Amino acid sequence: AQKVTQAQTEISVVEKEDVTLDCVYETRDTTYYLFWYKQPPSGELVFLIRRNSFDEQNEISGRYSWNFQKSTSSFNFTITASQVVDSAVYFCALSEASTSGTYKYIFGTGTRLKVLA
Amino acid sequence: SQTIHQWPATLVQPVGSPLSLECTVEGTSNPNLYWYRQAAGRGLQLLFYSVGIGQISSEVPQNLSASRPQDRQFILSSKKLLLSDSGFYLCAWSVTTITEAFFGQGTRLTVV
Repeated sequence: AQKVTQAQTEISVVEKEDVTLDCVYETRDTTYYLFWYKQPPSGELVFLIRRNSFDEQNEISGRYSWNFQKSTSSFNFTITASQVVDSAVYFCALSEASTSGTYKYIFGTGTRLKVLA
Repeated sequence: SQTIHQWPATLVQPVGSPLSLECTVEGTSNPNLYWYRQAAGRGLQLLFYSVGIGQISSEVPQNLSASRPQDRQFILSSKKLLLSDSGFYLCAWSVTTITEAFFGQGTRLTVV
């Protein structure tokens, strides 16, 4: 079963528009961790945010904001006033306990964001 | 500060040839280490992870293997490459498996 679903394969917006990237996760654990990563054209994944399952407070960092809702198992990412430099593939990830008791990361398939000038 | 090095950046190998990709982490001890593969236009697939020297967990049975000969060294290997092994391979490390992972710059492998 898909653990992390990013239904939006690709999104195109015009510069300065706001855009929200969706992430829906599935887990039976009560303790888990959610992440967002950015993969620019260079290929290296860049960590953006980590959130644990007990902290549902939304977070804002500059033009970036994250909305975590346990009731809908979603952890959405909004970029306000998008810029061309935001163009990248964005991955949502879940860390949950594996059958061996250790945690491992599970990534979604990513959303490619294109910001047009 | 911690850094992760992964090499080579690109690699073109013929089918049936061996493979060795190396990843090293500096500035930390006993990191959790990971190998991911990203097929073209797709998400990241966890191949192997290691929580300590000599401890390797395989997520997907396949033509690849991993080893951790030293605390901060993680090697991805294959005895005979297949066409399907082509992809973008990423090494990553984390302090624990519940903290964020930091990724290397990746190796783009093309098997011809």
